[in-house]
Amino acid sequence: GAGVSQSPSNKVTEKGKDVELRCDPISGHTALYWYRQSLGQGLEFLIYFQGNSAPDKSGLPSDRFSAERTGGSVSTLTIQRTQQEDSAVYLCASARGQGGTEAFFGQGTRLTVV
Amino acid sequence: TQLLEQSPQFLSIQEGENLTVYCNSSSVFSSLQWYRQEPGEGPVLLVTVVTGGEVKKLKRLTFQFGDARKDSSLHITAAQPGDTGLYLCAGRPTGGTSYGKLTFGQGTILTVHP
Repeated sequence: GAGVSQSPSNKVTEKGKDVELRCDPISGHTALYWYRQSLGQGLEFLIYFQGNSAPDKSGLPSDRFSAERTGGSVSTLTIQRTQQEDSAVYLCASARGQGGTEAFFGQGTRLTVV
Repeated sequence: TQLLEQSPQFLSIQEGENLTVYCNSSSVFSSLQWYRQEPGEGPVLLVTVVTGGEVKKLKRLTFQFGDARKDSSLHITAAQPGDTGLYLCAGRPTGGTSYGKLTFGQGTILTVHP
């Protein structure tokens, strides 16, 4: 597709289970971002990938969170041993480069931990 | 860590009124962007400003980047119900290993009543 695609769109999981969230960025975009958003709030930075450089993981809230980007394209955000406070919308974005370029967002994955 | 402080957090006004949203930081940014987000969707770019003192207009929206590139404002003239949404500012650092990393403010929820 032409835009950023995220799957699943909704995920309900039990506390303690692991979840994987997927992001397909726009083809050719070298930058990829993951953010977390609580209802009506701003975007909390999680991780940033740029080309083949080491990712900026400074926003990951704990070691239960990890992300990878295979082949410079698809990215997976993994949350292990989910907690109720992990419930939020997880947004992925991609951008063509590093400068003042537009970030294109997916529609997000709404994660609910019960 | 570069932080962006947005104010006000909530804004409820009548159709036809003017409003200004502020985005402030103690850090210098190479560029600053404003996004608008509607419920269930990802943020969509409104404008990018890159030069200190720059002013950009988009119909009834006026965006300004501070001379020192540490702050920005969004002014809406004669607001309409269709302007309702979450407005987010986002900045990129001036350099370093995370050049390109996009940090968001907390957002301003704008409601325009008919």
